[in-house]
Amino acid sequence: QSALTQPPSASGSPGQSVTISCTGTSSDVGGYNFVSWYQQHPGKAPKLIIFEVNKRPSGVPDRFSGSKSGNTASLTVSGLQAEDEADYYCSSHAVTNNAYVVFGAGTKLTVL
Amino acid sequence: QLQLQESGPGLVEPSETLSLTCSVSGGSISSTDSYWAWIRQPPGKGLQWIGSIHFTGKTFYSPSLRSRVTISIDTSKSQFSLKVNSVTATDTAVYYCARERTSTSFDWGQGTLVTVSS
Repeated sequence: QSALTQPPSASGSPGQSVTISCTGTSSDVGGYNFVSWYQQHPGKAPKLIIFEVNKRPSGVPDRFSGSKSGNTASLTVSGLQAEDEADYYCSSHAVTNNAYVVFGAGTKLTVL
Repeated sequence: QLQLQESGPGLVEPSETLSLTCSVSGGSISSTDSYWAWIRQPPGKGLQWIGSIHFTGKTFYSPSLRSRVTISIDTSKSQFSLKVNSVTATDTAVYYCARERTSTSFDWGQGTLVTVSS
């Protein structure tokens, strides 16, 4: 079971947009519309920001959006704000012999 | 507002069993559409899904941890538990419990650090 592939870092200036990719296989990202994204600030528990590829939980700004094409999912943060600086993790439903959840290794987003 | 709280020893000796409990309040642990998950994060590293359980007792485990992990549930106490056998230093991590639906962790506990050391 391999972790989903994310770039280790991403950056952008306030007001700009940044996109973070999450690449898996047909056994996870490509096979199911159960991709989620989490935001984690230092010392805090992760917070869900996107689920089922492109849905936002109540209270999450619409600056955060998700999409998927083939085996790659993406998180776009528009109108970057200082408080968006955090670690971002993707996850996906996966099935090999059994069902499980696999996470990406995480992307550190820096707001310049 | 659903709340989850992890509890258990913060220090475990190598080769022993790590045991943690998650207490659920503000919602029903017997909700039919919810699974109850454990996720861990080694210091300075990423998230690793460990497994999850339904109130019926149905479980799912990470393929890489399946041989050492047991998740159980006690609906009468509104708690679910994690046991990891034969721990080593690589099991040192912050352990989170979470409410899961459609393979998504919607609600998280604050996490508890477990260190494996003699």
